[in-house]
Amino acid sequence: QVQLQESGPRLVNPSETLSLTCLVSGDSISSTSHYWDWIRQSPGKGLEWIGNIYYSGTTRYNPSLRSRLTISIDTSKDQFSLRLTSVTAADTALYFCARRGTFTNGWYEHWGPGTLVTVSS
Amino acid sequence: EVVMTQSPDTLSVSPGERATLSCRASETVSRNLAWYQKRPGQAPRLLIYGASTRATGIPARFSGSGSGTDFTLTISSLQSEDFAVYYCQQYNNWPPITFGQGTRLEIK
Repeated sequence: QVQLQESGPRLVNPSETLSLTCLVSGDSISSTSHYWDWIRQSPGKGLEWIGNIYYSGTTRYNPSLRSRLTISIDTSKDQFSLRLTSVTAADTALYFCARRGTFTNGWYEHWGPGTLVTVSS
Repeated sequence: EVVMTQSPDTLSVSPGERATLSCRASETVSRNLAWYQKRPGQAPRLLIYGASTRATGIPARFSGSGSGTDFTLTISSLQSEDFAVYYCQQYNNWPPITFGQGTRLEIK
């Protein structure tokens, strides 16, 4: 049974850096068949794709966030991470990590429960 | 970027009745479309992938159809637990992966 779990600070000061980690269990993060994604939902809004990473370290980012975003992977620990710099109140959201298939299998069957991050002083 | 537009924004339906939700893509996504059910504070739940294939454990009252740019999620005989927000997602042309804005299904 694949499980994902987000962790990280729940409160971040404006202009500082938001950092989250997703721990994967029940599957190898070195799988060649999956991407590892970050998605968020701001209060009262819809789902926004942040970006993803492949086991090789190849990343794809949402153009709207690319200048502030870094996603990394640690295959030895079966975890991947998100780093978003210069945050504002607009980055307050419920952040999810999720596993997605490659090629035409790009749906999200497995999600973490989500972690609410609030940007406020 | 492929823009996904869902309609209506809110749908009011009585329990036991049928609900029909629509999703339109700004360009063809073939059949590379998924549907999710989302409750507040919870992770989305995969319902349908490949436009019409039910995910594991999803009841048969959920069905998906469509291809190209126009897709439909139908929920026959609504149960109380089906009242939630539903999102479509395309995975044909990315980055970015894109979602619709959501349809809120509420009890009439």
